[in-house]
Amino acid sequence: GDSVTQMEGPVTLSEEAFLTINCTYTATGYPSLFWYVQYPGEGLQLLLKATKADDKGSNKGFEATYRKETTSFHLEKGSVQVSDSAVYFCALRSLYSGAGSYQLTFGKGTKLSVIP
Amino acid sequence: ETGVTQTPRHLVMGMTNKKSLKCEQHLGHNAMYWYKQSAKKPLELMFVYNFKEQTENNSVPSRFSPECPNSSHLFLHLHTLQPEDSALYLCASSQDMGSPLHFGNGTRLTVT
Repeated sequence: GDSVTQMEGPVTLSEEAFLTINCTYTATGYPSLFWYVQYPGEGLQLLLKATKADDKGSNKGFEATYRKETTSFHLEKGSVQVSDSAVYFCALRSLYSGAGSYQLTFGKGTKLSVIP
Repeated sequence: ETGVTQTPRHLVMGMTNKKSLKCEQHLGHNAMYWYKQSAKKPLELMFVYNFKEQTENNSVPSRFSPECPNSSHLFLHLHTLQPEDSALYLCASSQDMGSPLHFGNGTRLTVT
């Protein structure tokens, strides 16, 4: 079955540091890939997505590139801010027909804390 | 304002109680979902409704009972829960089955 593996947290960085959160996946066919972010006390919000190989999703200074050859979708940001402190979830949706084709498969989440 | 509103934000209930969680979306979406978020585990999809019809039940125990009276409202009825059911319950909606999800802020449930 489909699965998503994220680097274990928590990750603690100083403000303006470079961020990488690793994500690899196993899926049937060619999935769409997503990063969601959950700020304290809130639900998940879509951060960025990529729907095919070599696509780069980007939003709010975050980027992730769909790498089919390494089955990865690592999240990066060049200079983090305190306001980026949150839990980040990698997710996939496999593009195959069937009852479960609309389901998102999530990773366990990586907690990021940015200190001033 | 997320567009998806969940009430209550926090709920403490005993194992013999009956309570309901409510979700309302103001986005005109056609699909609604219940997820369970537990510490150290991936989000678990519980139920899916598309155009008010239940299309998925991921082996959820019968002590959880969903209800979708219209495409804007979704309920999760709870009865005789167990302490291991304590978690954050998230509601989400999407325009259709293939569209991105919009989540509410969740209900933090504690079963004593």
